[in-house]
Amino acid sequence: NAGVTQTPKFQVLKTGQSMTLQCAQDMNHNSMYWYRQDPGMGLRLIYYSASEGTTDKGEVPNGYNVSRLNKREFSLRLESAAPSQTSVYFCASSEWGGDAWGYTFGSGTRLTVV
Amino acid sequence: SQQGEEDPQALSIQEGENATMNCSYKTSINNLQWYRQNSGRGLVHLILIRSNEREKHSGRLRVTLDTSKKSSSLLITASRAADTASYFCATVLYNNNDMRFGAGTRLTVKP
Repeated sequence: NAGVTQTPKFQVLKTGQSMTLQCAQDMNHNSMYWYRQDPGMGLRLIYYSASEGTTDKGEVPNGYNVSRLNKREFSLRLESAAPSQTSVYFCASSEWGGDAWGYTFGSGTRLTVV
Repeated sequence: SQQGEEDPQALSIQEGENATMNCSYKTSINNLQWYRQNSGRGLVHLILIRSNEREKHSGRLRVTLDTSKKSSSLLITASRAADTASYFCATVLYNNNDMRFGAGTRLTVKP
């Protein structure tokens, strides 16, 4: 099925550990995004990539890095995890401006930092 | 900071009733979108309305946009238990394509 695939689905890290969240889309979309969702809140944008080869900071980029590996893949890296990064992370993709079909979201990665 | 704010935060209705959720935002937008999120799942796109549109329909969904008041509403008619979910409005700003979400409305439809 076409869509956005995120791996892993669940992860527990110790404070200070690093990890990379993977995201791939098969819809040939130009733009990709990483959001985090905390309890009782909407999604907050971490980073986005408007097109292959470009990345830009969103609302809450501190503590994260991203790589747009190619048009399909956009990864999010936590270099030194902190308990404040415990959250559910969603990857999404779209054409510019979220055109007619809106954004397509993955099913999320639930990350716990202890 | 979050761009959109939904109202109410929570809404509980009986099956068959209509549900109305409101969203206010702060700055000029390219378009506004509504999403649904079932518990523990990702977001699903429902409808997109552009800044030059005033009303849009999709099945049992009706969305309005008032750019002078910087507000939008989502109406779900003849609600069903399966409509139970959180609903989020999201705005896409001019000159970039990052999308900002509100905190959502938690809708419960009782059978």
